[in-house]
Amino acid sequence: EVQLVESGGGLVQPGGSLRLSCAASGFTFSSYEMNWVRQAPGKGLEWVSYISSSGSTIYYADSVKGRFTISRDNAKNSLYLQMNSLRAEDTAVYYCARVGSYYRIDYWGQGTLVTVSS
Amino acid sequence: QSALTQPASVSGSPGQSITISCTGTSSDVGSYNLVSWYQQHPGKAPKLMIYEGSKRPSGVSNRFSGSKSGNTASLTISGLQAEDEADYYCCSYAGSHWVFGGGTKLTVL
Repeated sequence: EVQLVESGGGLVQPGGSLRLSCAASGFTFSSYEMNWVRQAPGKGLEWVSYISSSGSTIYYADSVKGRFTISRDNAKNSLYLQMNSLRAEDTAVYYCARVGSYYRIDYWGQGTLVTVSS
Repeated sequence: QSALTQPASVSGSPGQSITISCTGTSSDVGSYNLVSWYQQHPGKAPKLMIYEGSKRPSGVSNRFSGSKSGNTASLTISGLQAEDEADYYCCSYAGSHWVFGGGTKLTVL
């Protein structure tokens, strides 16, 4: 069974930093591309970042480019999102999500809440 | 990276059929036959219901179907059931990024 478990969320002040982690199990993590997707309270889904299976290709949404860094450790079956210079508008539940064949996002974690507030 | 356009809400009675539209552009929905649909119940993670426009993952009811014409994709749910009440999101791969619709709240009357 595919499992994705996020951690690292919490309350942080504007301008602060936070590192999210996602522990993957139930599939060969090193063979899959991964995404981070977020959802602000009461709002829709927003794609945040993508990383290829090897980590050699990375993409970011314009809204986080230059502030967020995605990475992975295939030996540890883990995905990360380093978030710097956080803003109030970054407040959201952050989901770790697997990218399946033909770029479909096929499995999601339960999410971790990030709150940016003073 | 503009969001796809979905109606904010739709409703239907049990047993009826409803259709949710998802309008994009020639850069996303129109260029790729890679539209997915997700169901999200309150407080839960999204669940994949349709991928590549019209394909259903194993375990998803055949009451759910998808289609695409030009820059618009559609999700149809037939034989509405109470448990179908949820938010539904479309999503298109757009070459180096993904774009989601704003979401549609389905109410089963």
